[in-house]
Amino acid sequence: DSGVTQTPKHLITATGQRVTLRCSPRSGDLSVYWYQQSLDQGLQFLIHYYNGEERAKGNILERFSAQQFPDLHSELNLSSLELGDSALYFCASSVSQGEGTQYFGPGTRLLVL
Amino acid sequence: GDSVTQMEGPVTLSEEAFLTINCTYTATGYPSLFWYVQYPGEGLQLLLKATKADDKGSNKGFEATYRKETTSFHLEKGSVQVSDSAVYFCALSDRGGSNYKLTFGKGTLLTVNP
Repeated sequence: DSGVTQTPKHLITATGQRVTLRCSPRSGDLSVYWYQQSLDQGLQFLIHYYNGEERAKGNILERFSAQQFPDLHSELNLSSLELGDSALYFCASSVSQGEGTQYFGPGTRLLVL
Repeated sequence: GDSVTQMEGPVTLSEEAFLTINCTYTATGYPSLFWYVQYPGEGLQLLLKATKADDKGSNKGFEATYRKETTSFHLEKGSVQVSDSAVYFCALSDRGGSNYKLTFGKGTLLTVNP
């Protein structure tokens, strides 16, 4: 158990819908990273937050957004969902905004029908 | 940009066989290198890491040495067990910029048969 929690574990929804994925980092960790794992793209970095502020963006679509709240949990919002958004979404946390081991949550499996 | 190339799987071995999974990288700065493992239905777990040239990371019988001259970080284990069956990911975090995201290889599926 990494200490990072993600909810829900599974999510099934329809095209055009909007969903919110939640991540709670390990106690004391200030950084949250979001990654997408799909069969064709592999594991790709989406976005990084540190202590409530966005620090870096990767291959994140404009239909996706994220935020980190004062209690340090983070939410990834996916809207106007398409079939191709079906994937595993992981969050990871680390203690600092820079170098540091990232600890991964169990992931949320999203299926868009 | 940064990239990680690891050997394509799947790799199938018998118990107690020797394991090598090759990993090479391209980075603009001076990266830290990692191996993560993903067991079926689970998230990624850090297996080992190395932060500078010639460092050896080790854990649970697995080892990998940071080779700057060959830009490699090959994973090895002398005697695999059935419980080692999983997907293994090589990754880097480039410390040259301000983004410490992980860049992953495509993963190598390892199956160990009794």
